[in-house]
Amino acid sequence: DAGVIQSPRHEVTEMGQEVTLRCKPISGHDYLFWYRQTMMRGLELLIYFNNNVPIDDSGMPEDRFSAKMPNASFSTLKIQPSEPRDSAVYFCASSFPAGLDEQFFGPGTRLTVL
Amino acid sequence: AQSVTQLDSQVPVFEEAPVELRCNYSSSVSVYLFWYVQYPNQGLQLLLKYLSGSTLVKGINGFEAEFNKSQTSFHLRKPSVHISDTAEYFCAVSDPPRGNEKLTFGTGTRLTIIP
Repeated sequence: DAGVIQSPRHEVTEMGQEVTLRCKPISGHDYLFWYRQTMMRGLELLIYFNNNVPIDDSGMPEDRFSAKMPNASFSTLKIQPSEPRDSAVYFCASSFPAGLDEQFFGPGTRLTVL
Repeated sequence: AQSVTQLDSQVPVFEEAPVELRCNYSSSVSVYLFWYVQYPNQGLQLLLKYLSGSTLVKGINGFEAEFNKSQTSFHLRKPSVHISDTAEYFCAVSDPPRGNEKLTFGTGTRLTIIP
């Protein structure tokens, strides 16, 4: 398996633009997590899905952020409009059915909002 | 809600010396504890996990950690570090019975190996 795939790996955009980050989880995993990592705030859980259904979105910073999982093999995190403070590395992770298994992280998307 | 404290933000260690990275968690009836490692420009990967049983847990790359309930600690150790261990290390906790469903991460400890 290729592991968790994220695209793009790097994104540079201007303030006010829409940004869409994409994630393909490992086949067979039914949990998917979106994290954000910054120097100031560390690693934060934004939202997670189980069987394509959002379970907890309490970490989503504000209405400008939205996430979807239309099927078991694809998820998006959208920021509209983007702001400079959204600059961070965004990670997607997936795991097997709830229990004791590890979360497998993708390589991340480094977002820079100018 | 659970919380995790990693007191040391940076730890420099000479090559082949031992290292201990500290992790303390907030008290609870029972917890699951994890150590993840992040190499430069990569995602996180699991080093080891404590779920139950033996309090000494062995992981990949020669790392081990000891669960100490009375001190609410889960410190990570390696007897002899290598240059390739240079990375950021994250302690994480979850609440059973949810298991690994939702993790709370510490702020990380950056381990730098000095040749």
